[in-house]
Parts: sequence; structure tokens; C-alpha cells
Amino acid sequence: EVLVAQSGAEVKKPGESLKISCKGSYSNFKNYWIAWVRQMPGKGLEWMGMVFPADSDIKYSESFEGQVTISADTSTNTAFLQWSGLKASDTAMYFCARRNYDSGGRNWFFFDLWGQGTLVTVSS
Amino acid sequence: QSVLTQPPSVSGAPGQRVTISCTGGSSNIGAGYGVHWYQQLPGTAPKLLIYGDNNRPSGVPDRFSGSKSAASASVAIAGLQLEDEADYYCQSYDSRLGAYVFGTGTKVTV
Repeated sequence: EVLVAQSGAEVKKPGESLKISCKGSYSNFKNYWIAWVRQMPGKGLEWMGMVFPADSDIKYSESFEGQVTISADTSTNTAFLQWSGLKASDTAMYFCARRNYDSGGRNWFFFDLWGQGTLVTVSS
Repeated sequence: QSVLTQPPSVSGAPGQRVTISCTGGSSNIGAGYGVHWYQQLPGTAPKLLIYGDNNRPSGVPDRFSGSKSAASASVAIAGLQLEDEADYYCQSYDSRLGAYVFGTGTKVTV
């Protein structure tokens, strides 16, 4: 069973806008933070930011604030990542992931369910 | 630029034991935030391997084990198998950055 499903690969030109999606099929979707993680070609994982669907609270990494917009829609159990003006340097694989935590109060914050990734290619 | 440092690569023969280190600092691992590990097989999404320093999610073989001491952590793979060839990442939270941070990643070759 696929619990987190992302939208398909995209090919865009510099300056174009784009919105990719991440649908959660697990229970209590709105009460888990959903994070977005970038992986540039041949590189490591970078946390971009995350959204809490229940109240649309959003946190951004300093590196990505102002560069992307994160949102969620509880009526469809879907989170989104969007750009208003893509650059070639945005070419990467983007993963969404559910952030879980330790219910016993320990400072454990980890990503336990991942989407399959959305490859975004920006090229003229 | 990551605040968590891992060796770029480790290798071992089938059946051997390898360990991957993750070195952080006083605002992340050393501050008591849990360390979590992910396995990324070629061309696939990361998969949670260890959470809360040394806990394995259901389905992860007990060949994988985690540990933490001060501002560092490590994951060990015992009885190395060909299917363990992958990239491995540690992850924690950094209170100074207010951000979730990943390690630089380690490629394991069998």
C-alpha cells in the first residue's frame, strides 16, 4: 500500500511556475507535519521546510525561505511545493515525507514515511 | 555545509561488519536531539532505518544497529550483504538553526 504518493516528473523552462503535490493516505493526515526534502543530482538530502495541515503552520529552512511556497489542503490530504520563477539550479529530485516524533516526550523528530520523489528538470 | 559530518564512503566484504559515523555539535546531537538514519538504495526514496538513536522500525533487520555518544552517533551493519549497497544518511534537529539537518551521506560498497 502506497501511503505517500507524489505527482509525476516535470520539465520546465527557466522563469516558469510549478506546483508539485504529495498525497498522504495514512490516518490523521492533518495532525502530522509534512516536510519537503531536496536532492540535487549526485548530492545529499536537504530539508526545505514543512507544513502542519491542521492549521497550515509552515516552517522554512533559511536556505529556501522566499524561494518556494509550501502549503497543504486537508480536504484532499495533500501537501504542495511551488515555485513562481524556476531556475536551472532548481533541477533536482524533491521528496515529501511525514515527520513523526516520540510520543514519550524525547526530542526525536524523524521522517518515517516518504513519497517516491518528483524529478523537476529546469532547462531552456 | 551540513552540520552533521559523515565519511564519504565505507566498504566491506560480504559477511563483514562496517560502521558509519555521524559527527555533530552542541546544538544538535550534543544537545540531546535524537539521531535517525536513512538508507537510500540507488534510484529510490530514502527509507527510515534507525530512529531515536538505536530503534529499528518494523521490518528492518537486526543486522542494523545504532548508537550515540556525546555529539556523535554511528550505525553498524553486521553480516554485510550485497543488498546493503546504498547511501546512508544520519539526521537530527539543530536548535541553533531551527532546522532539521541531514548528514553529508556515506556510500556503502559491498
